[in-house]
Amino acid sequence: GAVVSQHPSWVICKSGTSVKIECRSLDFQATTMFWYRQFPKQSLMLMATSNEGSKATYEQGVEKDKFLINHASLTLSTLTVTSAHPEDSSFYICSADRGITEAFFGQGTRLTVV
Amino acid sequence: RKEVEQDPGPFNVPEGATVAFNCTYSNSASQSFFWYRQDCRKEPKLLMSVYSSGNEDGRFTAQLNRASQYISLLIRDSKLSDSATYLCVVNFKGTGNQFYFGTGTSLTVIP
Repeated sequence: GAVVSQHPSWVICKSGTSVKIECRSLDFQATTMFWYRQFPKQSLMLMATSNEGSKATYEQGVEKDKFLINHASLTLSTLTVTSAHPEDSSFYICSADRGITEAFFGQGTRLTVV
Repeated sequence: RKEVEQDPGPFNVPEGATVAFNCTYSNSASQSFFWYRQDCRKEPKLLMSVYSSGNEDGRFTAQLNRASQYISLLIRDSKLSDSATYLCVVNFKGTGNQFYFGTGTSLTVIP
């Protein structure tokens, strides 16, 4: 069964609004979670590394004020896309670090900004 | 320079064919290697890990060449259900357990 749950699986929002995506580790504690973005026909690109109890580490070119990450507990990280615009429409996927090499992914969130 | 380079394809092959995908990675300190499968609009799922000694799982064979920083995946006797995008993934334990993805290779198996 799934070990990482991501919600919602899809969302449509108006331009200028904010959208929150949740990523939960189901049967383990994850001090580190990762957020990826995937545009059509492109690979997953790491956006940021979310660390429980501390600030997230953002990859170069990712605006930290636009993509707010909160990792307040060992089982939950949230990504908030603030003031979303059509160019933010993408497939967002989280993964949780279980301390082993295999990556466990959430089901992904398809965001469409209209 | 990308961490992981992959031929995006697409590969369109008939049922029963053998198809091979290749991938190169740039960081010689990379520690673990994988092939993931991603179906359209779904999250990636682990297909198999890749070891220097080579490993086989049914119709799938993966190989790693550390000297050349090269990873391969061979699919024999292709099935329609093999149609998907195959992602080459490299793991590096730097400041965290980070994974780097290739662009993916699209495979369509044709009846």
